[in-house]
Amino acid sequence: DAEITQSPRHKITETGRQVTLACHQTWNHNNMFWYRQDLGHGLRLIHYSYGVQDTNKGEVSDGYSVSRSNTEDLPLTLESAASSQTSVYFCASSESWQDPDTQYFGPGTRLTVL
Amino acid sequence: DQQVKQNSPSLSVQEGRISILNCDYTNSMFDYFLWYKKYPAEGPTFLISISSIKDKNEDGRFTVFLNKSAKHLSLHIVPSQPGDSAVYFCAARANFGNEKLTFGTGTRLTIIP
Repeated sequence: DAEITQSPRHKITETGRQVTLACHQTWNHNNMFWYRQDLGHGLRLIHYSYGVQDTNKGEVSDGYSVSRSNTEDLPLTLESAASSQTSVYFCASSESWQDPDTQYFGPGTRLTVL
Repeated sequence: DQQVKQNSPSLSVQEGRISILNCDYTNSMFDYFLWYKKYPAEGPTFLISISSIKDKNEDGRFTVFLNKSAKHLSLHIVPSQPGDSAVYFCAARANFGNEKLTFGTGTRLTIIP
């Protein structure tokens, strides 16, 4: 079955370190998204991509970067981790014009920055 | 500026009764709305959606109502079951083909047996 996976599921790091969170989907979807979930804020869009070599900033992109070298993967990099980036991160994918018209989410990565 | 608002952080409902979750939005460009359900330690899963050309969409125990003039939508679950206990997120999208979603802050629904 097609799926979307994230790794690691849990990560503890120190302030100032570079961290990369992996997202891999086997749906062959063109669209991929990264969100963070924080209490009182719901899910907020960090970066998104509509295809290989395409990346776009979301509403909370500062301190994060992504790259899309193939259809299946959209890794999220925290350039220099900060305590404010402690959060749960979700990756999602979708395909335009599909039925049902929705995004499919991975299981999440809980990141703690000490 | 919160464009999608879920003003009730939590809701408790007796098993078998109706659960009504509410969502308000401010952006008049939103034309497609979705509800997601999220269990702890899992990603959100799609529940039901509605296009702005409709005012109601039903799928089994779940019905979504859209009032465009009031910029309000609601999710009705009837009858409510213990497995419905989860956090529910409302989401909205502007312009068909623009795939970005804007999410509300979520409502934690607890079904009391």
